[in-house]
Amino acid sequence: SQTIHQWPATLVQPVGSPLSLECTVEGTSNPNLYWYRQAAGRGLQLLFYSVGIGQISSEVPQNLSASRPQDRQFILSSKKLLLSDSGFYLCAWNRGGNQPQHFGDGTRLSIL
Amino acid sequence: GQQLNQSPQSMFIQEGEDVSMNCTSSSIFNTWLWYKQEPGEGPVLLIALYKAGELTSNGRLTAQFGITRKDSFLNISASIPSDVGIYFCAGRHTGNQFYFGTGTSLTVIP
Repeated sequence: SQTIHQWPATLVQPVGSPLSLECTVEGTSNPNLYWYRQAAGRGLQLLFYSVGIGQISSEVPQNLSASRPQDRQFILSSKKLLLSDSGFYLCAWNRGGNQPQHFGDGTRLSIL
Repeated sequence: GQQLNQSPQSMFIQEGEDVSMNCTSSSIFNTWLWYKQEPGEGPVLLIALYKAGELTSNGRLTAQFGITRKDSFLNISASIPSDVGIYFCAGRHTGNQFYFGTGTSLTVIP
């Protein structure tokens, strides 16, 4: 069966510091991968998605970037965090098309 | 982007009551999904719908793909305390993106 892992589960970072969140999927190959941000327990905002290694689509302009160095690895990064980057970050995968997305357990990011 | 409106925003019900919530879109979708999210966790898929008029059940949960393809409904029968959480709808027309609703928060009072 397929599983998705995100880490860390919780992160507290100072303003201006860099960020790296990692997501990996097991049990499938060539998945579509997605990064979402969720504010205040509602409303998932799609940040990035990837249909293959090195292919990244950005949905909103922001202080963040994404990379897919390996087939089942998706990384969310920032060079300098802003207070507004606080939130709950979720990674998801699917097999593309109309197949349902499956989510990781998320990373709670707090910026001080 | 697409707008998905979920209603109601929140519900407070007695244990044993039935629950109904819905999701409406400004445009036609070909796929509807329903998820449940508990605090500190990612959303978990409950039901997937792929055809207009489709009615699908998962235990005490039943979801329907609206005939107009612009809406979907989720019902929970005989609610229990572990039904507490936020329920999200998601829709897709074509392409790789699903659009998510703003969620319905469900509280079940024992």
